[in-house]
Amino acid sequence: SQKIEQNSEALNIQEGKTATLTCNYTNYSPAYLQWYRQDPGRGPVFLLLIRENEKEKRKERLKVTFDTTLKQSLFHITASQPADSATYLCALEFSGGYNKLIFGAGTRLAVHP
Amino acid sequence: GAGVSQSPSNKVTEKGKDVELRCDPISGHTALYWYRQSLGQGLEFLIYFQGNSAPDKSGLPSDRFSAERTGGSVSTLTIQRTQQEDSAVYLCASSPGLGDEQFFGPGTRLTVL
Repeated sequence: SQKIEQNSEALNIQEGKTATLTCNYTNYSPAYLQWYRQDPGRGPVFLLLIRENEKEKRKERLKVTFDTTLKQSLFHITASQPADSATYLCALEFSGGYNKLIFGAGTRLAVHP
Repeated sequence: GAGVSQSPSNKVTEKGKDVELRCDPISGHTALYWYRQSLGQGLEFLIYFQGNSAPDKSGLPSDRFSAERTGGSVSTLTIQRTQQEDSAVYLCASSPGLGDEQFFGPGTRLTVL
């Protein structure tokens, strides 16, 4: 079965630094991968989608890479701010384009002033 | 509002009772998804609808779980004879079509005593 691994330990960084979160997966070749942000007591909010034929995608201070050989995605937040503190979820599409997503457990990011 | 709404926001029930959870997707979104999130865990896919049909029900944990969608809009997730292990946050999401980003509701927190 598909398996997604995200670092279960919280990532603590200083404001202004770059945060890098990792998503590793096994047993599948997803058509695309998405990253979501989730704040406590709220539903996830979509951030970025990257397709299997794309190596990198950027949006403002966010950057996502997708290495289908390593079966890994990296999520970067540059010039991090305390407001970026949240849990970040990686999600793989594993239904051949029907948007059936399998989510990782998420990594909690804490940005300290 | 224009977002996905879910009701109730919180539901406490006794073991063995039936519960109905409601999701109002964003108007015009043809795809609708149900997920379950247990404390500290990632989202677990339950079922998705394209229009009123559910092509994939494979994520439903048992035959006590069922869902329907009428008029291509509102969806109801029903859990019969609830068990304590059903306690979780149930999240609904919608998207304009398959393969698009998913917009999540705030979730329903279900507690089975």
